[in-house]
Amino acid sequence: SQQGEEDPQALSIQEGENATMNCSYKTSINNLQWYRQNSGRGLVHLILIRSNEREKHSGRLRVTLDTSKKSSSLLITASRAADTASYFCATDAGNSNYQLIWGAGTKLIIKP
Amino acid sequence: DVKVTQSSRYLVKRTGEKVFLECVQDMDHENMFWYRQDPGLGLRLIYFSYDVKMKEKGDIPEGYSVSREKKERFSLILESASTNQTSMYLCASSLFRGTGREQFFGPGTRLTVL
Repeated sequence: SQQGEEDPQALSIQEGENATMNCSYKTSINNLQWYRQNSGRGLVHLILIRSNEREKHSGRLRVTLDTSKKSSSLLITASRAADTASYFCATDAGNSNYQLIWGAGTKLIIKP
Repeated sequence: DVKVTQSSRYLVKRTGEKVFLECVQDMDHENMFWYRQDPGLGLRLIYFSYDVKMKEKGDIPEGYSVSREKKERFSLILESASTNQTSMYLCASSLFRGTGREQFFGPGTRLTVL
């Protein structure tokens, strides 16, 4: 079952611009995670935000969480060519199950 | 750094063959996961294991089985490969029980079944 849904499906911006990706989910959660996947590779964890947090920063990444709207956004500031990748959000199901539920991802292309 | 390795990056098999995909992690993680990734569908969980010899079905276990005889190794088995199992297979591990921990992924195995 798919809980997270990323928006947009694809995003193309110029190097140096900011990139914003959104994730919506359906049920209550304990936390939400963002991952990056470079072409044809495994996923790399970027950031985890808990349900009682509203905003979190890590370097050029800023994640917000709005539990009332069941949505999260990932902002990448001052984008670089190396940020070209697919970005996925993953949520737990709000229970003790080990499973993460994944969205289909946003494909981000940074044009030089 | 946690390292998760998968036995093959690319694999080509014929319909009906038995296929073994192996995953090894080197950080003593309790949890291990097998996903398949198809365009537009995100990651779908096939099986996971939270301890040696323990396994639980994910969303799409049909046609697959798993084995975890040692803590560091989690194998995915396709008993009789079919063309609809052509996909990218990703293995992951995480440290503790519960979903509040990040998952560490291997590089993936791109399996083609002819």
